[in-house]
Amino acid sequence: AQSVTQLDSQVPVFEEAPVELRCNYSSSVSVYLFWYVQYPNQGLQLLLKYLSGSTLVKGINGFEAEFNKSQTSFHLRKPSVHISDTAEYFCAVSKSGGYNKLIFGAGTRLAVHP
Amino acid sequence: KAGVTQTPRYLIKTRGQQVTLSCSPISGHRSVSWYQQTPGQGLQFLFEYFSETQRNKGNFPGRFSGRQFSNSRSEMNVSTLELGDSALYLCASSPRKGGRYEQYFGPGTRLTVT
Repeated sequence: AQSVTQLDSQVPVFEEAPVELRCNYSSSVSVYLFWYVQYPNQGLQLLLKYLSGSTLVKGINGFEAEFNKSQTSFHLRKPSVHISDTAEYFCAVSKSGGYNKLIFGAGTRLAVHP
Repeated sequence: KAGVTQTPRYLIKTRGQQVTLSCSPISGHRSVSWYQQTPGQGLQFLFEYFSETQRNKGNFPGRFSGRQFSNSRSEMNVSTLELGDSALYLCASSPRKGGRYEQYFGPGTRLTVT
């Protein structure tokens, strides 16, 4: 079975500062890795995904993530955040070659302050 | 292309009643997955449908059921509602099966059970 741990439930940061949201996963099989963002009263939007190949993945809105197989991590980073980045961020995995079933972490609430 | 639509957006039901939620996927998408989001349990996979067949089911009681029609629209039904069924129910569509494709989420249906 797969599981996802997001190490921080809340991350406060000042505008224009860098941020890292941490995600670790556990799986006995190959997985695909995703980061989704949820704004208030909305569904989830995909930021980026790792399927294979280069371990550094770039996504939308200036976000990037690095896959580290030995550490089973997939941390999300942004060099300079904006107020509009305030949202809930979810790390998720799906089993390679399996179903369209996402296993989500508990989420990290990013709060960007002016 | 229109996104994933869910109806209704908000619903209030009484304990013991049943409810049906509807999801229209993005045109051409044949996979529809359902998720339950609660503050306590987070995002949990309910089930996935592909070409009118349920491919996978999460760990939910039999009161939760679903179906998919030939036009890929999907419905989920919850019978004998309990207070704990209060949640945001999210539908997601994907063009193919296999776990590697982005799932596009709708805005959700907020169900309140009183």
